[in-house]
Amino acid sequence: GQNIDQPTEMTATEGAIVQINCTYQTSGFNGLFWYQQHAGEAPTFLSYNVLDGLEEKGRFSSFLSRSKGYSYLLLKELQMKDSASYLCAVPSGNTPLVFGKGTRLSVIA
Amino acid sequence: NAGVTQTPKFRVLKTGQSMTLLCAQDMNHEYMYWYRQDPGMGLRLIHYSVGEGTTAKGEVPDGYNVSRLKKQNFLLGLESAAPSQTSVYFCASIDSRDAVTQHFGDGTRLSIL
Repeated sequence: GQNIDQPTEMTATEGAIVQINCTYQTSGFNGLFWYQQHAGEAPTFLSYNVLDGLEEKGRFSSFLSRSKGYSYLLLKELQMKDSASYLCAVPSGNTPLVFGKGTRLSVIA
Repeated sequence: NAGVTQTPKFRVLKTGQSMTLLCAQDMNHEYMYWYRQDPGMGLRLIHYSVGEGTTAKGEVPDGYNVSRLKKQNFLLGLESAAPSQTSVYFCASIDSRDAVTQHFGDGTRLSIL
């Protein structure tokens, strides 16, 4: 089985940097995903990490440490539109993708 | 190119009624999934399919059935709806060659009274 933990809520200021952590326990590792989900909308894909290290995509970066079972999503130069839930997910066993409960980020002025 | 389309978008049912949710994708994807999302629970996989004519159980399959008679369609059925099945249902598909990016539909909001 697997267990995915991420903080329930976070608040950050516009223009700042925020780091959303995710820890996981899984039998066998096949990569880690981050999704963004605005309220009332479908999730959209942000990143996929399969190797250790940091991957940068514009204002968003995702980090993975397989030995520690740990990942984080880094959002820079926060904008109001970044207010959303951020979902960490891993494939596990026969389940194609298991999602964490999500971190609701509020960006304030 | 519509991507992943779910119908209906909203529905209210009475306990014990049956209904079918339809997911259609026009991207020729092999893999399709049905999730439910409840407040504070994240997305949970109900059933999935890795190709036409095949289905498999996910994390929370009880009370649901699925069928994948055509590659582009994945149907989710509730035989006898229960209030515990009130949720937002998302369908997703993925290209087996990519196997990374899940494309989600806009969701179906289902209320069981």
